[in-house]
Amino acid sequence: GAVVSQHPSRVICKSGTSVKIECRSLDFQATTMFWYRQFPKKSLMLMATSNEGSKATYEQGVEKDKFLINHASLTLSTLTVTSAHPEDSSFYICSAQTGTGGSKEHFGDGTRLSIL
Amino acid sequence: ILNVEQSPQSLHVQEGDSTNFTCSFPSSNFYALHWYRWETAKSPEALFVMTLNGDEKKKGRISATLNTKEGYSYLYIKGSQPEDSATYLCASLAGNNRKLIWGLGTSLAVNP
Repeated sequence: GAVVSQHPSRVICKSGTSVKIECRSLDFQATTMFWYRQFPKKSLMLMATSNEGSKATYEQGVEKDKFLINHASLTLSTLTVTSAHPEDSSFYICSAQTGTGGSKEHFGDGTRLSIL
Repeated sequence: ILNVEQSPQSLHVQEGDSTNFTCSFPSSNFYALHWYRWETAKSPEALFVMTLNGDEKKKGRISATLNTKEGYSYLYIKGSQPEDSATYLCASLAGNNRKLIWGLGTSLAVNP
């Protein structure tokens, strides 16, 4: 149980392209979804917290107009990297949570984004 | 301690060895401590969520202890197997922040 599907797993595209990443909870309803970014040899960095039907809460230093998050239902959240540039190349991973802050996070497999 | 720190950064053991590693976290406003196991090409898998000082949790050959007063948790693996090879991440949740702060992980390699 508690499966999270993240798609696509890998994206390679040209600079200036917008890229959408989907995160779906397949067998449970996620009250909260999280979007992380991981740089090489760095820890997971929380980008934003997303609750269904409300605006995402972005962490300091994360541009909300650059990284658009939509959490339209209890099973789907999307992250759109708008007008991506090479510096946006990274590993992006989502997680979903059913309960409060003390609950486990269930992770997707991540998306490797490469901007040429 | 302001960040979550894990040690060692990497570890190589032989099959059958028991091993342990450390997670240090801010003890003020502590709410919960999470342990995750992240195998290459897979998604992180939740192992434990611990909240109480002195708590000990066990899942098969893996167990964890928690000291919230001094801000550390140990993860133990008894009789390591090659399939235990993975990165073990811990993350701390502070009550006034409610977002997980992640360590860099301990990369474990178990040689057959």
